[in-house]
Amino acid sequence: EPEVTQTPSHQVTQMGQEVILRCVPISNHLYFYWYRQILGQKVEFLVSFYNNEISEKSEIFDDQFSVERPDGSNFTLKIRSTKLEDSAMYFCASMGTRAEAFFGQGTRLTVV
Amino acid sequence: LAKITQPISMDSYEGQEVNITCSHNNIATNDYITWYQQFPSQGPRFIIQGYKTKVTNEVASLFIPADRKSSTLSLPRVSLSDTAVYYCLVVPISGGSYIPTFGRGTSLIVHP
Repeated sequence: EPEVTQTPSHQVTQMGQEVILRCVPISNHLYFYWYRQILGQKVEFLVSFYNNEISEKSEIFDDQFSVERPDGSNFTLKIRSTKLEDSAMYFCASMGTRAEAFFGQGTRLTVV
Repeated sequence: LAKITQPISMDSYEGQEVNITCSHNNIATNDYITWYQQFPSQGPRFIIQGYKTKVTNEVASLFIPADRKSSTLSLPRVSLSDTAVYYCLVVPISGGSYIPTFGRGTSLIVHP
């Protein structure tokens, strides 16, 4: 079964540092997403990406965040100047032509 | 976006059938109904998707009445490993807007 791969599985960073979370979506999918889930809370939409550009973003996705698809396979989320409250699980997802999103196993980001 | 209402939690026992009902009163014509499962510290996993009537796969069944204002996820003969959070989503597929949006979900606990 095809899967979405995320790296790293766990990242610890100091407050104020920049982090890049990486994702390899399913190869023939067209829509890509980043979500986050703070411990004990719901899965929150951050941003969607289609046709090599951002198609939607939530109010959480402010100037601190950026996404890129630097090549045909990787999809990255950059968080600049991390804050303690950025500590969460970050999930990447991709979707093809059907309304079925495949999620990666997540990156647990811990900001200390 | 359709407003989703589903029970916050449910309890069951091994071997029982579990039915989780979701209300989506203002679902739009082009919306699909999708259910996901999430285990702790893992990404959501697609279970089943439907538009109307009944859909069945190897994991679950999805019942959707004619008015589509609700749907019921049916898990036959649950086991302890079915303990998870189950999310009902309405995914809009119109105008290129493909954003799975998660609510609080239903926390299912299966007891021995």
